[in-house]
Amino acid sequence: QKEVEQDPGPLSVPEGAIVSLNCTYSNSAFQYFMWYRQYSRKGPELLMYTYSSGNKEDGRFTAQVDKSSKYISLFIRDSQPSDSATYLCARSYNTGGFKTIFGAGTRLFVKA
Amino acid sequence: AAGVIQSPRHLIKEKRETATLKCYPIPRHDTVYWYQQGPGQDPQFLISFYEKMQSDKGSIPDRFSAQQFSDYHSELNMSSLELGDSALYFCASSSGTSGVTQFFGPGTRLTVL
Repeated sequence: QKEVEQDPGPLSVPEGAIVSLNCTYSNSAFQYFMWYRQYSRKGPELLMYTYSSGNKEDGRFTAQVDKSSKYISLFIRDSQPSDSATYLCARSYNTGGFKTIFGAGTRLFVKA
Repeated sequence: AAGVIQSPRHLIKEKRETATLKCYPIPRHDTVYWYQQGPGQDPQFLISFYEKMQSDKGSIPDRFSAQQFSDYHSELNMSSLELGDSALYFCASSSGTSGVTQFFGPGTRLTVL
């Protein structure tokens, strides 16, 4: 079992839709949870990170963590064609440096 | 703002050859991470360095080695290349006190023929 499980999609939605992306994780150690966005042939770009249960909002993006069920989500409101990318969830924990484990990534297509 | 720089951006090698990938972190970042991303795969952590010392090791083959130099740039050396080494290699950097926020470079696409 991978440490971070994520449905690879693809997920296709119309412009303006609310997008829900989800991951589950298996380790209960203290850790940070992140969402990265990766455009084709580019490096991952950090969107948001959090370490506590609950919601964290940044513009059209909301990250949600439920530690009791080991479930993390990213919601995108008013989705735009420019949001079309692969979204990677990740968990990061301190082992002397910060080790980051990525999920498989979900490919999102937002149709105009 | 300055970003992580990786060179070369593209590299083509033959089997059993050697390759060296370079990473220049964001100024004042003291931690460097290397990741390997195969086609359609998520980035796999290889190795990291903090203040020029190896801080963590992931799924890095014994054929690969890496180091961080006094100016904080890092090099990933890959020997006896195999077809399966063809992938995107990303370097990321962070500041040691806030290592959770890693900034990724554009990657080096290595093709082994």
